[in-house]
Amino acid sequence: KQEVTQIPAALSVPEGENLVLNCSFTDSAIYNLQWFRQDPGKGLTSLLLIQSSQREQTSGRLNASLDKSSGRSTLYIAASQPGDSATYLCAAPLSDQGGKLIFGQGTELSVKP
Amino acid sequence: KAGVTQTPRYLIKTRGQQVTLSCSPISGHRSVSWYQQTPGQGLQFLFEYFSETQRNKGNFPGRFSGRQFSNSRSEMNVSTLELGDSALYLCASSLVAGEWETQYFGPGTRLLVL
Repeated sequence: KQEVTQIPAALSVPEGENLVLNCSFTDSAIYNLQWFRQDPGKGLTSLLLIQSSQREQTSGRLNASLDKSSGRSTLYIAASQPGDSATYLCAAPLSDQGGKLIFGQGTELSVKP
Repeated sequence: KAGVTQTPRYLIKTRGQQVTLSCSPISGHRSVSWYQQTPGQGLQFLFEYFSETQRNKGNFPGRFSGRQFSNSRSEMNVSTLELGDSALYLCASSLVAGEWETQYFGPGTRLLVL
């Protein structure tokens, strides 16, 4: 059974700082791992998807890594901006269950000007 | 290309009523999944449809049901509403149903049960 955990639950940093968000999963037979962003009261925006055959993916100031052996993924945000303030969620599909995603509880990020 | 759309965006109902939510996937996408998000439980999977067939179902009571039409649009229905059904209901679409697929989420329908 896949379980996904995100620590910390909340993080506050000053603008310009580089930061790392953590995601742990229990089933290393993972197909992929997806990072999402959610603004208050809104839906989810897909940021990055890392396939199991990949080690990392980059998009602009975001870099996500995947280490199946340790059951960990990280989302690195470079030069953080107040507009990055949101909740970040990671999710992994349950093996052999199609599109059923198991989500972490999220990390609420606040970037202070 | 238009994103996933959900209607209505907000809904207020009373206990015992029923409600139907609608989701239109991205054009060309054939898989639609539904999730419930609450502050206490986070995001939980409800069900997934592909080509009008339910492929997966989460651990929710039978009051929660869904269907998918031939144009891939999907609806979910909740009967005999309870206070605990108050939540943000999100739907997601992908090209096909598979663990390797990126899922794209809609803005959600916020349901408040009084």
